[in-house]
Order: sequence, then structure tokens, then C-alpha cells
Amino acid sequence: NAGVMQNPRHLVRRRGQEARLRCSPVKGHSHVYWYRQLPEEGLKFMVYLQKENIIDESGMPKERFSAEFPKEGPSILRIQQVVRGDSAAYFCASSGGNQETQYFGPGTRLLVL
Amino acid sequence: AQRVTQPEKLLSVFKGAPVELKCNYSYSGSPELFWYVQYSRQRLQLLLRHISRESIKGFTADLNKGETSFHLKKPFAQEEDSAMYYCALSGGSYIPTFGRGTSLIVHP
Repeated sequence: NAGVMQNPRHLVRRRGQEARLRCSPVKGHSHVYWYRQLPEEGLKFMVYLQKENIIDESGMPKERFSAEFPKEGPSILRIQQVVRGDSAAYFCASSGGNQETQYFGPGTRLLVL
Repeated sequence: AQRVTQPEKLLSVFKGAPVELKCNYSYSGSPELFWYVQYSRQRLQLLLRHISRESIKGFTADLNKGETSFHLKKPFAQEEDSAMYYCALSGGSYIPTFGRGTSLIVHP
């Protein structure tokens, strides 16, 4: 039973490029959460999705960031026109229900040059 | 608003010494509190939650509503306990609020 998978584990982009981060939840989990961890800071919630629906995106920057969780395939966090301040570790978690324990992926470390 | 404070960025102890990682929270309702651990090069994983009242790997944490604290304790630290520890609060919603973490280093 594989846990949450994230890829790539490391991603380097130049300013202005797009970054796509993928998250495959635990098999059978339909709830996905994305968090960002800036250096020296805790995890900050970004967005909560269920299959094909965004439930809460209150932690997501209004511009350049988007997320989806299609019926088939992984959840995608997309950052357009990346800037240096987007450099961070992005973690995905999944759960079987909205009050259930979240299981975390290994994270994607994004570096913007 | 929910807030979790972990006042120590780094805690360094010797093997066999007692450990206490501090966590204070701010929440007006009835909180649900968690401790997560992240060992080197591994993913974040749930260590314990206050409602289960478990002891995991010798760690315990008691919710003190009067002091709004949920400190993590272990009487005798082991080298393999070295890791990042995150306290988190869920105020009845699905979105936990995380503290910024405490790095525990246990020296031989």
C-alpha cells in the first residue's frame, strides 16, 4: 500500500517559467491538501481538494497559483511565471475524509533561479 | 483564529536525558491537537494526537487547556529521536494549523 507520492522531488526553474507539482494520494483517498513550507517557517495550508472540486483555496495566492484534482490521475499544483519567492518545499497530504488523519508525501523542493 | 507556537527552533540534549518540546496554542473553541515528526530524509508522519491518549515511541503529550499547551515529553531521549517535530491544531475544521517546528538533536 503505497503512501502519498509526489514528483518531482526536486524542481529547478528560472524566473518566469512554469512549475507543475504532482501528487498521487494514498489509494482510496479522495481528499488532497497542499501545503507550502518556506525556509525557517512552518507548514502553511494552501488548498484542499476533493475529486474534481476545490473545497477551500483560502491559503492559495490569488495570482499565478492553481490546483486541480481530476477524476483520473494525480492532483496538480501549478505555479505560473515563477518568482524567487516561490522557492519552498511543497507538501501534499491525503485523507479518506475531511476529519481523518492526513498522510503526507515526501514533498517537492522548488528552487527558482 | 488559530495559532500554534513552538518557541524553540532547536533543542539539544544528551542520550538518556528527559525531553520536553513545547507547544502552545490559541483557539477559542475545543481544539484537537497533534504532534507530527519528520525524520531526516523522510516524510512528515503523525506521531500522536491528544484524543487517542497514546504513548508512541515513549512520547506522551497532555492537553492542558488552562495553560493552552500540548507539550511533547519523553523521559529518556534516544539518538533515533533526532528529528523535526511539528505541533498542529485542528479547530474542528479539516485544515490543521502547524507550528514552525522544533529540531531535536540527541547527542550520544
